[in-house]
Amino acid sequence: QVTLKESGPVLVKPTETLTLTCTVSGFSLSNGRMGVSWIRQPPGKALEWLAHIFSNDEKSYSTSLKSRLTISKDTSKSQVVLTMTNVDPVDTATYYCARISQRTVTTYDAFDIWGQGTMVTVSS
Amino acid sequence: DIQMTQSPSSLSAYVGDRVTITCRASQTISSFLNWYQLKPGNAPKLVIYAASSLQTGVPSRFRGSGSGTDFTLTISSLQPEDFATYFCQQSYSTPITFGQGTRLEI
Repeated sequence: QVTLKESGPVLVKPTETLTLTCTVSGFSLSNGRMGVSWIRQPPGKALEWLAHIFSNDEKSYSTSLKSRLTISKDTSKSQVVLTMTNVDPVDTATYYCARISQRTVTTYDAFDIWGQGTMVTVSS
Repeated sequence: DIQMTQSPSSLSAYVGDRVTITCRASQTISSFLNWYQLKPGNAPKLVIYAASSLQTGVPSRFRGSGSGTDFTLTISSLQPEDFATYFCQQSYSTPITFGQGTRLEI
């Protein structure tokens, strides 16, 4: 059974760095086509894709957040970590990780399995 | 970035109704279009992938269609469990982008 589980702080202060961890099971981060994305949803707003990483260490980031995000993986721990620097109250959201696979070099399949999400509030 | 325009933003319907949600991409995305269902407190659920393929376990009353830039999600004979928010998403290229969502209300 494939599962993903997000973990991280519930509350973060403005200007701090947010670190989120996605722990996966049921599939390997060393599988050539498999990867993990981070996606968030601010309260009452749309889903927003943040970043993804694949087994070959290919990474991609949201255009608007690229300068603040870093995604990495630890295959031995089956974990994907997302860091976001200089957080602001607008970063308050539920953060999800989801499994994705690569169809071709530039195209992807759907997010077929999602974690339950973790709510992060940015406030002083 | 590819922009995804979804409509309507909200929709009221009755159990048993047929509803259609549309999604338009700002450039061609072939059939790399997926639909998700979100309910409060639950993990998002993949409903339709590759524009028209039904995800395993999803009832056949859900149907997706379209290619290129214009896509639709149709739910025939709405059931109480179908009232949720639906998002379209393109997986044609990065950055991956979502529509603004459609809230389906009883």
